[in-house]
Amino acid sequence: GQQVMQIPQYQHVQEGEDFTTYCNSSTTLSNIQWYKQRPGGHPVFLIQLVKSGEVKKQKRLTFQFGEAKKNSSLHITATQTTDVGTYFCAGVRASNYQLIWGAGTKLIIKP
Amino acid sequence: KAGVTQTPRYLIKTRGQQVTLSCSPISGHRSVSWYQQTPGQGLQFLFEYFSETQRNKGNFPGRFSGRQFSNSRSEMNVSTLELGDSALYLCASSLKTGLGSGNTIYFGEGSWLTVV
Repeated sequence: GQQVMQIPQYQHVQEGEDFTTYCNSSTTLSNIQWYKQRPGGHPVFLIQLVKSGEVKKQKRLTFQFGEAKKNSSLHITATQTTDVGTYFCAGVRASNYQLIWGAGTKLIIKP
Repeated sequence: KAGVTQTPRYLIKTRGQQVTLSCSPISGHRSVSWYQQTPGQGLQFLFEYFSETQRNKGNFPGRFSGRQFSNSRSEMNVSTLELGDSALYLCASSLKTGLGSGNTIYFGEGSWLTVV
């Protein structure tokens, strides 16, 4: 089962609104990766965070890794239709380097 | 360079049959992992192979099995298919096992299996 809690499961936004998804782990992570899966497609790597408190930006996307390396977030500013898809986090357990996936957050743009 | 290649892309099987899916990783990648994804669900880890050895296994019944060949190509097999096995099966490759720092996963486009 899932060992990284990812919320929300779905988020409906109007185009131009912001979107945020959160991942929380019960164990310390050595790093966390984020993936995007477009409808009908396969997951594609977006970014990796390694350092405690790290913040990285990719245009309108901002990724954060918590100070305790147990949580992470992805924030999209001013969503566009091209942002539609499911965003997954995947954390690597610091204790055994096992990869653990969040259940994903589906971003839906309201018509 | 070529990405992860999965075959077949689509297939329909009958309950009770078995199925074999194939995955060719990115050249030079030695780790291949398999995932099951059902509609609305996340990625359920099946197993990972590295250098022809199964390194990790998810919580799936023994009907699900896999193997890796010396050229890193991998196959997964599902025997005695059930309706609930209908899903997208994704293969992913990476340079190293354990997915430690810097070890990005590259996914194939998946094999859509429908069991009727």
